[in-house]
Amino acid sequence: AQTVTQSQPEMSVQEAETVTLSCTYDTSENNYYLFWYKQPPSRQMILVIRQEAYKQQNATENRFSVNFQKAAKSFSLKISDSQLGDTAMYFCAFMKHVSTSGSRLTFGEGTQLTVNP
Amino acid sequence: DAGVTQSPTHLIKTRGQQVTLRCSPKSGHDTVSWYQQALGQGPQFIFQYYEEEERQRGNFPDRFSGHQFPNYSSELNVNALLLGDSALYLCASSLWSQPQHFGDGTRLSIL
Repeated sequence: AQTVTQSQPEMSVQEAETVTLSCTYDTSENNYYLFWYKQPPSRQMILVIRQEAYKQQNATENRFSVNFQKAAKSFSLKISDSQLGDTAMYFCAFMKHVSTSGSRLTFGEGTQLTVNP
Repeated sequence: DAGVTQSPTHLIKTRGQQVTLRCSPKSGHDTVSWYQQALGQGPQFIFQYYEEEERQRGNFPDRFSGHQFPNYSSELNVNALLLGDSALYLCASSLWSQPQHFGDGTRLSIL
């Protein structure tokens, strides 16, 4: 079974600064996907960024980028130029490579990020 | 283009009752997954439906059951409700191999 660990329950950052959220995972799979989801108080889970394990290049989406270290099973999220709207709970999630048996997501416990003005 | 829609948004039940939650997937999506999110925790996978069949199931008792209709919408049914079933229930839809898109969830409170 896969496990996802987020060791930072809470973090805070000043507006316009950079913050990094940590995530580690445990799996015996070689092909898989990793995701960061954002959940603001409105409750909707929003996909921030995804990474395919077979790709060595780190994914980037505007102000969001990841540091994917496959051997270390580490997947951190960097948010640059933090904005007040980035305040939310952030979840790291793992998904095995899709097979005929389905595509479940395994989530970590989350990191509450607060961006201060 | 409507996203994933869930109903109702909030529901209050008492122990022992039964509840049905509903989910309409994002247009073009054929796979629906259900997750339970207890307060302050990450979502836990309940089950996934594709082609009207349950394809995968998480570690949840048989009190939790579901259904997918020909139009890809889905229902989650929970029987014999327990206090511990109080949670946010999230529905997610996707094409089989694509990232999952989530709805706003149904907040279920058990008294």
